[in-house]
Amino acid sequence: DTGVSQDPRHKITKRGQNVTFRCDPISEHNRLYWYRQTLGQGPEFLTYFQNEAQLEKSRLLSDRFSAERPKGSFSTLEIQRTEQGDSAMYLCASSFSGASYEQYFGPGTRLTVT
Amino acid sequence: AQTVTQSQPEMSVQEAETVTLSCTYDTSENNYYLFWYKQPPSRQMILVIRQEAYKQQNATENRFSVNFQKAAKSFSLKISDSQLGDTAMYFCAFMKPSLTGTASKLTFGTGTRLQVTL
Repeated sequence: DTGVSQDPRHKITKRGQNVTFRCDPISEHNRLYWYRQTLGQGPEFLTYFQNEAQLEKSRLLSDRFSAERPKGSFSTLEIQRTEQGDSAMYLCASSFSGASYEQYFGPGTRLTVT
Repeated sequence: AQTVTQSQPEMSVQEAETVTLSCTYDTSENNYYLFWYKQPPSRQMILVIRQEAYKQQNATENRFSVNFQKAAKSFSLKISDSQLGDTAMYFCAFMKPSLTGTASKLTFGTGTRLQVTL
């Protein structure tokens, strides 16, 4: 297994455009998490899924953000009408809902909104 | 809501020496997990060590060990025999298990940047 992968690795977009990121978790992992990390800060939780069900969304998550995991495998995170404040690293992690509690992180997608 | 505080933005240690990174947290929960994650420059985050709150024994993983003080809500990381490859951002993180006792979201501190020098 190659671990958690994210695509694209970098995205530059103009303010007001929509962007979509993809995350492919480790194949046997049924939980998938999205985090956002801004410069000098720790990752901040956005949302997470168990299989295709979205179990929790952060109250900080704007209505412009939406995430899906339609078949319980890969997930997409869409940001509509991007703003400069959306510039950040978007991290995906996956885990198995067993006893280990370890989350495995992907390399992240760095978004720059100009 | 839980909060995690790392009061040392940057630290430096010489190769082969020992360094301790501090972390405090605030929670009203009794059952939770604490983690230290390492984020090397331009590389993905990896788990260093994990501590279950119900365990009194401090976790150890090779050169990495923790000092878990539940009453004080303190969770420090000790790195022994520091190596150049330990240079990274280190994040302390808190997890409250879900209602079914399974994994849930992580709450991270702001991180400590560790530089290992020759």
